[in-house]
Amino acid sequence: GENVEQHPSTLSVQEGDSAVIKCTYSDSASNYFPWYKQELGKRPQLIIDIRSNVGEKKDQRIAVTLNKTAKHFSLHITETQPEDSAVYFCAASESKTIFGAGTRLFVKA
Amino acid sequence: GAVVSQHPSRVICKSGTSVKIECRSLDFQATTMFWYRQFPKQSLMLMATSNEGSKATYEQGVEKDKFLINHASLTLSTLTVTSAHPEDSSFYICSARVPGLGEQYFGPGTRLTVT
Repeated sequence: GENVEQHPSTLSVQEGDSAVIKCTYSDSASNYFPWYKQELGKRPQLIIDIRSNVGEKKDQRIAVTLNKTAKHFSLHITETQPEDSAVYFCAASESKTIFGAGTRLFVKA
Repeated sequence: GAVVSQHPSRVICKSGTSVKIECRSLDFQATTMFWYRQFPKQSLMLMATSNEGSKATYEQGVEKDKFLINHASLTLSTLTVTSAHPEDSSFYICSARVPGLGEQYFGPGTRLTVT
């Protein structure tokens, strides 16, 4: 069945450094790749997404890249801040959305 | 982003009873909604896809007779956990897809505790 793998499971960075989270997907029909941020006890919030006809997208300190041939996509957060600390989920979607296992990001002040 | 509400936010029920959870898209019409279950420190597990006006599509391993889904209107989907047992205790989250765009927005979740 469809599968999304996400790495690393935990990531600790110093404030101001960059953080990179990587995902791979198995369903070649996937055409939409959202990223969600979930703080403890709260709902996942859509932070950025990319569609299959685009290779890269940037929104302020956040960027996503997509390599459809390799079925890889990544989230890049630059100039990290303590408030970026949360769990981040990647997902791959066609008719339904399959989530990665999540990355717990800690940004140390 | 679009707004999705979910009620109740918390519910405690006794084993054997049924619990209904509502998911509403407040500012858009959602032909497709999704129901997820999330265990502590784990990812979102898709339980079923709810399509307005038709039967829900359940993921493998999810009992359709236990988790009843109804999507009676373009803004409301309900999940009923029937004959709940302690192992059904979990965080249930719904999401609604914006038509034509693929974006999904999540409700705030419902924490179910079965005693």
